[in-house]
Amino acid sequence: AAGVIQSPRHLIKEKRETATLKCYPIPRHDTVYWYQQGPGQDPQFLISFYEKMQSDKGSIPDRFSAQQFSDYHSELNMSSLELGDSALYFCASSSPGQEYEQYFGPGTRLTVT
Amino acid sequence: GQSLEQPSEVTAVEGAIVQINCTYQTSGFYGLSWYQQHDGGAPTFLSYNGLDGLEETGRFSSFLSRSDSYGYLLLQELQMKDSASYFCAVDMNYGGSQGNLIFGKGTKLSVKP
Repeated sequence: AAGVIQSPRHLIKEKRETATLKCYPIPRHDTVYWYQQGPGQDPQFLISFYEKMQSDKGSIPDRFSAQQFSDYHSELNMSSLELGDSALYFCASSSPGQEYEQYFGPGTRLTVT
Repeated sequence: GQSLEQPSEVTAVEGAIVQINCTYQTSGFYGLSWYQQHDGGAPTFLSYNGLDGLEETGRFSSFLSRSDSYGYLLLQELQMKDSASYFCAVDMNYGGSQGNLIFGKGTKLSVKP
């Protein structure tokens, strides 16, 4: 069965650089979510999209933005990177009416040096 | 705001039964989910309670009591591969929001031989 695809899997950036993370949800899933997970922490909700429209925002810094494209893939853009942005970034998707059952991608491990 | 409390660590032996409790304080609440996460891996959906009572899925069961703001995950016939972190999460699907998950801090389960 198809799963959520994320790229790249690992990313190393320097402070003040920009990064773009990509996510390809499971086909026919209508909602995409982005989460940030620091070491030993729980996943923190950043932002979600429902049918390509921004649905909800969580603890996403103003330096970050995201969008969902016509083919349903989503990108998380991160600018002016800080050391504290080093974390695992997960994308998840869910099918209509089953938002509680989210399928997570393998994550992108971002390291900011 | 929302907060979920769960024990930080639990240790049990193979073949045993373990219960991981989760108490929550939320404003606006649709259901309680449970996710498993192995070190370095992605969260994986285990179970969901949209109504009070017990849900059983193989060796895993989950329970919810809305009147007590309490739920638990029960793992039976523990196996070494069950060693992982377990997160309870509330599904904030209300008022037009699309199901972003608010996670507890996670319970690290160690299964010993």
